[in-house]
Amino acid sequence: DGGITQSPKYLFRKEGQNVTLSCEQNLNHDAMYWYRQDPGQGLRLIYYSQIVNDFQKGDIAEGYSVSREKKESFPLTVTSAQKNPTAFYLCASRRSAGGPDTQYFGPGTRLTVL
Amino acid sequence: QQPVQSPQAVILREGEDAVINCSSSKALYSVHWYRQKHGEAPVFLMILLKGGEQKGHDKISASFNEKKQQSSLYLTASQLSYSGTYFCGLPGKGYGKLTFGQGTILTVHP
Repeated sequence: DGGITQSPKYLFRKEGQNVTLSCEQNLNHDAMYWYRQDPGQGLRLIYYSQIVNDFQKGDIAEGYSVSREKKESFPLTVTSAQKNPTAFYLCASRRSAGGPDTQYFGPGTRLTVL
Repeated sequence: QQPVQSPQAVILREGEDAVINCSSSKALYSVHWYRQKHGEAPVFLMILLKGGEQKGHDKISASFNEKKQQSSLYLTASQLSYSGTYFCGLPGKGYGKLTFGQGTILTVHP
């Protein structure tokens, strides 16, 4: 089955540690996105990538980093510089960056920093 | 700029109808609607691509009024399964970016 996988579903880390969230898709989609969602809030864009080896900052990129070495994978690292990292993180992909298409979301990773 | 959704929350009994609005301060070129269940990922409902377009899926439909810079989502004869948070997403500058509204919480009671 084609889809987007994120792992793990729940993640706990100590304050000051970097943590990497996984996002993999086998939909052959070109574009991938990372969002952050806080309780009762909408989705805010962290980073996005149109093609391999290219990515752009979203609205709240500070304290985060990404890489896009393979089309299928778009991992997100939450660094110690992120002041309030506890949140629900959602990865999404889209067939191509242009055209009348939409984004499809993975199941999400809930990160809790202790 | 973030679209504005109204109302912020709706409480219904099964079988009742609801309308959720999504407004933009800028011109609309397309509108994407999603529903999110608590603790889960948003699920795509439908996309409207041009002014005057209307779409429907089961008893959920939407309209797109580009002159009013607004889209509305209509939920008819609501079911318990309709409960969740509904988001509209508007395209940003390039790369297929979407800017989402703050969400409308819909609760359907038996």
